[in-house]
Amino acid sequence: GENVEQHPSTLSVQEGDSAVIKCTYSDSASNYFPWYKQELGKGSQLIIDIRSNVGEKKDQRIAVTLNKTAKHFSLHITETQPEDSAVYFCAARNSGNTPLVFGKGTRLSVIA
Amino acid sequence: GEEVAQTPKHLVRGEGQKAKLYCAPIKGHSYVFWYQQVLKNEFKFLISFQNENVFDETGMPKERFSAKCLPNSPCSLEIQATKLEDSAVYFCASSQGTSRAGNEQFFGPGTRLTVL
Repeated sequence: GENVEQHPSTLSVQEGDSAVIKCTYSDSASNYFPWYKQELGKGSQLIIDIRSNVGEKKDQRIAVTLNKTAKHFSLHITETQPEDSAVYFCAARNSGNTPLVFGKGTRLSVIA
Repeated sequence: GEEVAQTPKHLVRGEGQKAKLYCAPIKGHSYVFWYQQVLKNEFKFLISFQNENVFDETGMPKERFSAKCLPNSPCSLEIQATKLEDSAVYFCASSQGTSRAGNEQFFGPGTRLTVL
C-alpha cells in the first residue's frame, strides 16, 4: 500500500521568510495530493491540492509542486506570517474515494 | 449543513467503558471517512461509507470498534470496552464522491477521546 514520508517534522522560520515542506510517496498510482493545515482546537483544513496531471499549482502565498517521476511533492509558503504557524500534513490517494494516506506532519513556527 | 459536524468535542471514559462518537457529513456528500489521530501524529484511516454502506473497512480494528451510517441519522463510531491506547482525536471527513472534482475530503473538528 501507499506510504507517505514527510520532512521536516518541525520547522521554524522568521516572519517574511519562506517555508518548504517535502513529502515522498511510494505508490506510483497515486494521483491526488492534498495539503492540510491543522490548528489547535480546529479541524484540518485543506489549503491546497494538486493532481497528477499538473506539476505546480499556486494560490496566493501557497504553492505546491509535484514530481511524479521522483514521487515527491512539496509545499511552499512565501512571506510567512505568524498565523501560518500550525501543523501541516501532506497526503496521497490513488483513486476515487479511497482513503487518504497522510504524512506524519510538520510543525511550522513562524517567529515574529 | 455546510460543514462536517462532530459531537461530542471531548469525551472522557474510564477503561472498559463504551464510547460513541457522532458525525454529520456535509449535506449532499455520499462518502464518509473516519480517521484516528494519536498524539498529533499521522492520521490512521479506520473506515469509510458510501451512503449507508461500508465502502472500505481495511483500517478498522477487528475487535471493539464498529461504525454505522444510517439514513437520516448522523454516522457513528462506537468503541466497546475502551483501552488506554484508544485515546486519540477521531476525525470524520466527507466527500461528494460524484466526480474527480468532487473527491476533496472535508474534515470535521474532531472528537478528542481520553481513556483514563
